[in-house]
Amino acid sequence: AQSVTQLDSQVPVFEEAPVELRCNYSSSVSVYLFWYVQYPNQGLQLLLKYLSGSTLVKGINGFEAEFNKSQTSFHLRKPSVHISDTAEYFCAVSDRGTGNQFYFGTGTSLTVIP
Amino acid sequence: GAVVSQHPSWVICKSGTSVKIECRSLDFQATTMFWYRQFPKQSLMLMATSNEGSKATYEQGVEKDKFLINHASLTLSTLTVTSAHPEDSSFYICSAPQWASGSKREQYFGPGTRLTVT
Repeated sequence: AQSVTQLDSQVPVFEEAPVELRCNYSSSVSVYLFWYVQYPNQGLQLLLKYLSGSTLVKGINGFEAEFNKSQTSFHLRKPSVHISDTAEYFCAVSDRGTGNQFYFGTGTSLTVIP
Repeated sequence: GAVVSQHPSWVICKSGTSVKIECRSLDFQATTMFWYRQFPKQSLMLMATSNEGSKATYEQGVEKDKFLINHASLTLSTLTVTSAHPEDSSFYICSAPQWASGSKREQYFGPGTRLTVT
């Protein structure tokens, strides 16, 4: 079984400052890794994903994440945040074998302060 | 990319009534769909796996008789909340996988349905 831990439930950050949202996972099998963003009363939007290849993954809206197998981490970063980045962010894993079921972290609420 | 829709996007119902939520894959076929539930300020919890042509598979702790799932066709799965109570109020999200390039599956999520039971 897989599990995902997002260490920070809330992250306040000033506009134009850098941010890192942390994600660690545990799994007995190889996994795919994802970051999603959710705006209030909306569904999930895929930010980026790691399937294979380069461990540094670039996504939409200037976000990037780095897969670290030894530390079982997949932290999300952005060098300069905007007010519009205020949202809930979820890290997720899925089994490489089936790629079906997703297991989500508890989410990190990012608040960008003007 | 592929699109998954949900209908309705928001529903309010009275306690004791049943509510049906639809999940459709608009431009691809999905033999499997997933239903998630999200409480306010919390993460998504997998409720069940909907299988076309067979019974749904429910996660531990999810009441099968309360959350009826029917995978009516290769593009439609429905979740019916029977005899709804206020504690069933939540945000329900479905997803469907689609084979992408090579052997990689892409998972597409619907926009969610907010259920409020009064």
